[in-house]
Amino acid sequence: AQSVAQPEDQVNVAEGNPLTVKCTYSVSGNPYLFWYVQYPNRGLQFLLKYITGDNLVKGSYGFEAEFNKSQTSFHLKKPSALVSDSALYFCAVRDLLERGSTLGRLYFGRGTQLTVWP
Amino acid sequence: GAVVSQHPSRVICKSGTSVKIECRSLDFQATTMFWYRQFPKQSLMLMATSNEGSKATYEQGVEKDKFLINHASLTLSTLTVTSAHPEDSSFYICSASLRGGFYNEQFFGPGTRLTVL
Repeated sequence: AQSVAQPEDQVNVAEGNPLTVKCTYSVSGNPYLFWYVQYPNRGLQFLLKYITGDNLVKGSYGFEAEFNKSQTSFHLKKPSALVSDSALYFCAVRDLLERGSTLGRLYFGRGTQLTVWP
Repeated sequence: GAVVSQHPSRVICKSGTSVKIECRSLDFQATTMFWYRQFPKQSLMLMATSNEGSKATYEQGVEKDKFLINHASLTLSTLTVTSAHPEDSSFYICSASLRGGFYNEQFFGPGTRLTVL
């Protein structure tokens, strides 16, 4: 079964320090992986995605994520955190083998609240 | 490009009434739209997948008679919460996928906050 795990409910870092938000996944076929960010009372904003190719994916606002097939992980990283990065982060996976009327559906992790202290 | 809007952004209604939420893809045609529900500080729960011109596919446990979904055109899907109850109060988010292509990603609307009194 397809699933996404974000083991940390909260991540706290000081401004200027590197940050990592963890994500592991489980799919039947090849994964199509995403990171989204959500600010209070707003929808999800796309950060980055991985389909194939280079395992290190660069995205918006200086974020990047590293795909690790052997560990089935897709951790989100940023070399230097900003206070404005404080938000709720979601990892999501799409199973490229999935077909039918729900083609394209995403499976979300439970979210990680990132707080960056000044 | 790839902007999705939702209307209204907030709605307060009385118990027993019905509420309609619109999801529009503003600058692209969306073959598929998804409806999610999100409780405070929790993840998104997929309610249903809506394909243009056909009936929506509901997730297990979601009452199709209570949450009516219509996807009448390639730019508009609506979610109607019928006979609303306070437990239906939640944040509802839609997303839309571009028409054509297998690797289409989803673009999310800003969400609708529903409060049922």
